Amino acid sequence: EPEVTQTPSHQVTQMGQEVILRCVPISNHLYFYWYRQILGQKVEFLVSFYNNEISEKSEIFDDQFSVERPDGSNFTLKIRSTKLEDSAMYFCASSDFQGNSGNTIYFGEGSWLTVV
Amino acid sequence: GEDVEQSLFLSVREGDSSVINCTYTDSSSTYLYWYKQEPGAGLQLLTYIFSNMDMKQDQRLTVLLNKKDKHLSLRIADTQTGDSAIYFCAEKVRRDDKIIFGKGTRLHILP
Repeated sequence: EPEVTQTPSHQVTQMGQEVILRCVPISNHLYFYWYRQILGQKVEFLVSFYNNEISEKSEIFDDQFSVERPDGSNFTLKIRSTKLEDSAMYFCASSDFQGNSGNTIYFGEGSWLTVV
Repeated sequence: GEDVEQSLFLSVREGDSSVINCTYTDSSSTYLYWYKQEPGAGLQLLTYIFSNMDMKQDQRLTVLLNKKDKHLSLRIADTQTGDSAIYFCAEKVRRDDKIIFGKGTRLHILP
């Protein structure tokens, strides 16, 4: 079964450093997402991306964050000048919303970011 | 606005049925989902239901949707120790939009 893959699975970074989290969505999907889950809390929407542009973003997704689809397969989340409170599990997701997947969104295994 | 509510904990004896409940507020929800998260792992899609359906069954899983009351439930028959996880209810309100998660219900299996 096709799956969303994310790298790295775990990254430790110093406060103030930039981090890039990478995702390879399912190949025929058109909609891409980033969510985050702070330890013990709910899964929060960050941003959705369609047709090479951001379609929606939450209040969390401020100027510190950016997304990019640099080629036909990767979807990245960049966090500039990381803060302690950015420590969380970041989930990438994708969907096609038009095929037989029944409007389902598939999530990757997550990238655990620890800011120290 | 969009909001999804779930109870935080549920304890069930092994072999019994588990029923996890969820309420949502947006009447324009099109799809409702149940995801499972085991410790330290990602979000596994368990099942979903389209908003014009009342029920969906998939092996041990039964989803019931009461659209009038905006209430969704997940029943797990013959609960096993491997069902121990956090279960997230989620809703999708527009075709090309995000899904919103509840806080998750932690299912604990008693021996």
